[in-house]
Amino acid sequence: GDSVTQMEGPVTLSEEAFLTINCTYTATGYPSLFWYVQYPGEGLQLLLKATKADDKGSNKGFEATYRKETTSFHLEKGSVQVSDSAVYFCALDHSGNTPLVFGKGTRLSVIA
Amino acid sequence: EAGVAQSPRYKIIEKRQSVAFWCNPISGHATLYWYQQILGQGPKLLIQFQNNGVVDDSQLPKDRFSAERLKGVDSTLKIQPAKLEDSAVYLCASSLGTGGLRSYEQYFGPGTRLTVT
Repeated sequence: GDSVTQMEGPVTLSEEAFLTINCTYTATGYPSLFWYVQYPGEGLQLLLKATKADDKGSNKGFEATYRKETTSFHLEKGSVQVSDSAVYFCALDHSGNTPLVFGKGTRLSVIA
Repeated sequence: EAGVAQSPRYKIIEKRQSVAFWCNPISGHATLYWYQQILGQGPKLLIQFQNNGVVDDSQLPKDRFSAERLKGVDSTLKIQPAKLEDSAVYLCASSLGTGGLRSYEQYFGPGTRLTVT
């Protein structure tokens, strides 16, 4: 079945540092790829998505590019802020209203 | 627009007791999902409804878990009897999706944190 693997956390960075959180997937066909974020005490929120190969999703300074050749969807941000501290989940689904398959999540802590 | 509502937010019960969770999706959303998120893991699907019909319940432990979505709007998830390993956050999500070739965004509620002692 489908699966998502993302780098283990926690990740601790200083403010303004560069962030990369690796995500790779195994899936049949052509899934859509997502990054969700979970801030402390809140529900999951969609951060960005990409629906086909070479698409780049972006939001709030975060970016991720759908790389079919390496089955990857790494999350990057050029300069993190304390307010980015959260748990980040990589996920995929298929067209036709299918459920999401999530990775285990990566906890990010940004210190001032 | 109101988001996905869930209650209660927290619940502590003893093993072998029963518990129920409630979810009210975003108005007009045809599809409703229940996910289980065990500490340190990503959410995993328990059951998916489209309107008031079950689309996928293959991962639902049917000997103890049940769910319904009467009238195709809000939903309840029940556990009876609870086990220690049921301690988790139970997330409800909804989407506009009714099938087809596109992927529909899922909107998540805040979750219910269940502790079984």
